[in-house]
Amino acid sequence: SQQGEEDPQALSIQEGENATMNCSYKTSINNLQWYRQNSGRGLVHLILIRSNEREKHSGRLRVTLDTSKKSSSLLITASRAADTASYFCATGQNRDDKIIFGKGTRLHILP
Amino acid sequence: DGGITQSPKYLFRKEGQNVTLSCEQNLNHDAMYWYRQDPGQGLRLIYYSQIVNDFQKGDIAEGYSVSREKKESFPLTVTSAQKNPTAFYLCASSITLAGSTDTQYFGPGTRLTVL
Repeated sequence: SQQGEEDPQALSIQEGENATMNCSYKTSINNLQWYRQNSGRGLVHLILIRSNEREKHSGRLRVTLDTSKKSSSLLITASRAADTASYFCATGQNRDDKIIFGKGTRLHILP
Repeated sequence: DGGITQSPKYLFRKEGQNVTLSCEQNLNHDAMYWYRQDPGQGLRLIYYSQIVNDFQKGDIAEGYSVSREKKESFPLTVTSAQKNPTAFYLCASSITLAGSTDTQYFGPGTRLTVL
């Protein structure tokens, strides 16, 4: 069962630019998390935003959550080559104990 | 070092053979998970376990089996009944099984190729 859907599927930007990726989901959630995956590696947790929060920051990352639109966005400011990775959103639903991952956005930072 | 380890990193199997993927964590986490990832795709849940000697099927459990005899270990067996087992397998753990707030910590993955 797929809950989150990331958009775009792939994104290429110049180093130094900002990268924005979006996640839409279908049913009500308790929280939403963003993870990063470097090629051929495991996922690394980036940030968690709860359903009663609208915005959260961590370093160069900014996450917003709009529960009325059932969507979240992840903004990476001043991108670096090391940000090249796939980014996944994962939602925790009220009535289910498992988190569900989307298919991810592949971000490529061009030198 | 605390963390979650998977072995081997690469695994090759002939058709018709069972193979077991190892996952060990020393984070003292109660919950553990197995995911399958196909190229360009997201993660699909195979099995998960909340506590020792207990586990539940995820979305794609057919052709897989698990055990949870120890808190730190959650091995996954890919059986010959799994029709398309070539994939990247990821193990994860979290403090508890709680979709509400728990972060999942991932191992480095095992890439299984069936020849």
